[in-house]
Amino acid sequence: EIVMTQSPATLSVSPGERATLSCRASQSISNNLAWYQQKPGQAPRLLIYGASTRATGIPARFSGSGSGTEFTLTISSLQSEDFAVYYCQQFKSWFPDSFGQGTKLEIK
Amino acid sequence: QVQLVESGGGVVQPGRSLRLSCAASGLTLTTYAMHWVRQAPGKGLEWVATVSYDESKKYYADSVKGRFTISRDNSKNTLYLQMNSLRADDTAVYYCARSVRGLIKDAFDIWGQGTMVTVSS
Repeated sequence: EIVMTQSPATLSVSPGERATLSCRASQSISNNLAWYQQKPGQAPRLLIYGASTRATGIPARFSGSGSGTEFTLTISSLQSEDFAVYYCQQFKSWFPDSFGQGTKLEIK
Repeated sequence: QVQLVESGGGVVQPGRSLRLSCAASGLTLTTYAMHWVRQAPGKGLEWVATVSYDESKKYYADSVKGRFTISRDNSKNTLYLQMNSLRADDTAVYYCARSVRGLIKDAFDIWGQGTMVTVSS
């Protein structure tokens, strides 16, 4: 079983500053990791897949890094529209579940 | 416009059935694995089921195995989720999603807007 753990649960950052979100896998998943952004009442939006590849249309201020068990999503200069919940997802195995519990990025 | 549109949600009593549909417009699903993901009110995302592009492979979360069936009709560019023996803890917004590279194990790049399923007596 692969368990995904995100930290912190809530992150308070000021606009214009850098935000760093973490995701840890309970065993190696190579680079089989994605990051999503979800705003209230909206479907998730794919940001990053393959641990570091930006999805189509995603601004360059979003970057992903890591491999194996430790992964990071960095937002280089927070814009107002970036405050949301962020989920990591492993796609090496679907079991028991593929998503982390989420990190809420809030305005400081 | 490229979009997935879910339908079929609603309020249903425990033990009853419901069938969700996910219709694609402006894009093809034919060569892509497809997925259902749900989100209970105020909770995180939970993967539910996956089907390969040709329906030869299907995978289910333990929480729905034996009760839910994922299927697709490529001629209609549509994905389905048949939900039987519904329980209160199946209450959630259900999203369909497409694999970014078409693979079974893949990130999900296109999502529907979601359809709400409420299981209550």
